[in-house]
Amino acid sequence: GAGVSQSPRYKVAKRGQDVALRCDPISGHVSLFWYQQALGQGPEFLTYFQNEAQLDKSGLPSDRFFAERPEGSVSTLKIQRTQQEDSAVYLCASSERLAGGVYEQFFGPGTRLTVL
Amino acid sequence: RKEVEQDPGPFNVPEGATVAFNCTYSNSASQSFFWYRQDCRKEPKLLMSVYSSGNEDGRFTAQLNRASQYISLLIRDSKLSDSATYLCVVTKTGANNLFFGTGTRLTVIP
Repeated sequence: GAGVSQSPRYKVAKRGQDVALRCDPISGHVSLFWYQQALGQGPEFLTYFQNEAQLDKSGLPSDRFFAERPEGSVSTLKIQRTQQEDSAVYLCASSERLAGGVYEQFFGPGTRLTVL
Repeated sequence: RKEVEQDPGPFNVPEGATVAFNCTYSNSASQSFFWYRQDCRKEPKLLMSVYSSGNEDGRFTAQLNRASQYISLLIRDSKLSDSATYLCVVTKTGANNLFFGTGTRLTVIP
């Protein structure tokens, strides 16, 4: 079946531009996560949705980062006034919410953002 | 201090070798434990869950030591296709997200 998809796969932005990154989770998956992966590092948590509710945004690095999932399916991560330190791969993951809290997160291919 | 600490490597081993990766986690409230595999420029994928009793999947064996807050992954009879970055991952009580280590890069050499 279809996995998690993300678009665009690559994005080059000039410093100061706004960008919007899209995630299409696996159909029916309740939970959706955004992670940021810098070069040579593991993914770092940004934010978490359960259906349309953003339950945790503690990982967003600044108020320039904003995420939404208005209908509980597709999600958009927006970065305003991009800075060079925002250059990274942005990964989206989705999961079913299973009893007991142990679940597998399925990752999309990521969007590689380069800010010049 | 990071939630999960890993030796980034790289580990370069010949085909057929046995290689072991370790990681430590800082929070005793950590709940679930995993190894993820990430190929170059690809997304992370779940390799295996890790249990206190230890678990094995073919050539891969994972072990958890809760007292020492230590997780290990052993790969026997390495194949060229095992070349990847191996990410140590934990979850915490009260949080839904995954906490990743920096990853350990493995290259299996012919």
